[in-house]
Amino acid sequence: GAVVSQHPSRVICKSGTSVKIECRSLDFQATTMFWYRQFPKQSLMLMATSNEGSKATYEQGVEKDKFLINHASLTLSTLTVTSAHPEDSSFYICSARDKGWGNGYTFGSGTRLTVV
Amino acid sequence: AQSVTQLDSQVPVFEEAPVELRCNYSSSVSVYLFWYVQYPNQGLQLLLKYLSGSTLVKGINGFEAEFNKSQTSFHLRKPSVHISDTAEYFCAVSALNTGFQKLVFGTGTRLLVSP
Repeated sequence: GAVVSQHPSRVICKSGTSVKIECRSLDFQATTMFWYRQFPKQSLMLMATSNEGSKATYEQGVEKDKFLINHASLTLSTLTVTSAHPEDSSFYICSARDKGWGNGYTFGSGTRLTVV
Repeated sequence: AQSVTQLDSQVPVFEEAPVELRCNYSSSVSVYLFWYVQYPNQGLQLLLKYLSGSTLVKGINGFEAEFNKSQTSFHLRKPSVHISDTAEYFCAVSALNTGFQKLVFGTGTRLLVSP
């Protein structure tokens, strides 16, 4: 079945630094990928929709300059948290949809970001 | 806009007992419906989905759900749960007016299975 690989699974960074999270579709091409943020014991909130070869579409309230999304190929999307602060600490999850709806959305395993 | 309501934040149940996790949605247009399971510090795994056709949908791990359009519900059921079913369960909807692109999630229900 469709597999989405997300790295790293955990990262700890210092306040003010930037962190890049990668999301790869391993056995299918994904023209669209999605980035979510999940706070402890809460649901997933869509941050942005990443479109291959074009600019990402951000949800209302999400800072474009803080959360940089790049979707340079049909199998890779990256989320860069710039100038990270402790309040950016969260669980970030990506997802992608294989063509057609046979498999629905496939989610990555998530990245636990801790900013100290 | 669409919304999903999962009324039960936590459902405790004994092993081998049946369970139902409730999900209601709100939408003025056609929807696709999904149930996902999340284990600690992991991504989401698709349990089952309703796109069209038969309203009773069977998924993995013995779960099933029934789409009820008149009650705008998509409750998840399992006749006999195992300890390993302990996890967070999310109901989600995508709608025609977003090209079925965006998933809107409920707040989740934690299923706690005890011996």
